[in-house]
Amino acid sequence: DGGITQSPKYLFRKEGQNVTLSCEQNLNHDAMYWYRQDPGQGLRLIYYSQIVNDFQKGDIAEGYSVSREKKESFPLTVTSAQKNPTAFYLCASSTAGSYEQYFGPGTRLTVT
Amino acid sequence: AQSVTQLGSHVSVSEGALVLLRCNYSSSVPPYLFWYVQYPNQGLQLLLKYTSAATLVKGINGFEAEFKKSETSFHLTKPSAHMSDAAEYFCAVSDRGGTASKLTFGTGTRLQVTL
Repeated sequence: DGGITQSPKYLFRKEGQNVTLSCEQNLNHDAMYWYRQDPGQGLRLIYYSQIVNDFQKGDIAEGYSVSREKKESFPLTVTSAQKNPTAFYLCASSTAGSYEQYFGPGTRLTVT
Repeated sequence: AQSVTQLGSHVSVSEGALVLLRCNYSSSVPPYLFWYVQYPNQGLQLLLKYTSAATLVKGINGFEAEFKKSETSFHLTKPSAHMSDAAEYFCAVSDRGGTASKLTFGTGTRLQVTL
């Protein structure tokens, strides 16, 4: 079945540690996105990528980094510089010119 | 710049009653609009989309939405609520970019369905 995989579902880290969230898609989509979701705030765009080896900052990129070495994969690193990392993180993808995005199941990150 | 406003963070309806979730948008280009549904601790699932064809759009699970340019609205409706409709609903507008089009989301409306 085609889709987007995010792992793990739940992730716990100590403050000051970097952590990398995985996102893989087998939909052959060109574009991929990372969102952060906090209660009552909807989804906010962190980074997005249109093609391999290229990515752009979204609205809240500070404290995060990404890479896009393969079309299928778009990992997100939450660095120790991110002041409030505890959140639900969602990865999405879309095909060129489609405008609609398909979402993965999400990773809930808790930093204590 | 684009924005979406969802009126009402929580809506409660009885099973069998009409569901109406409100969404107003602002966009500098003719908008493409979306409604997504999210069940607890899950990703978002596309309910329906408006991409400048028919103004009344039908989606999955009996939901539909009407695009009204004069009111800058894209409200989501369902004639008869079911318990399984309880979830959070997000309205979104696209910037109609190139390979990657960015979505701007509203803050969501949590729908509660009671017996």
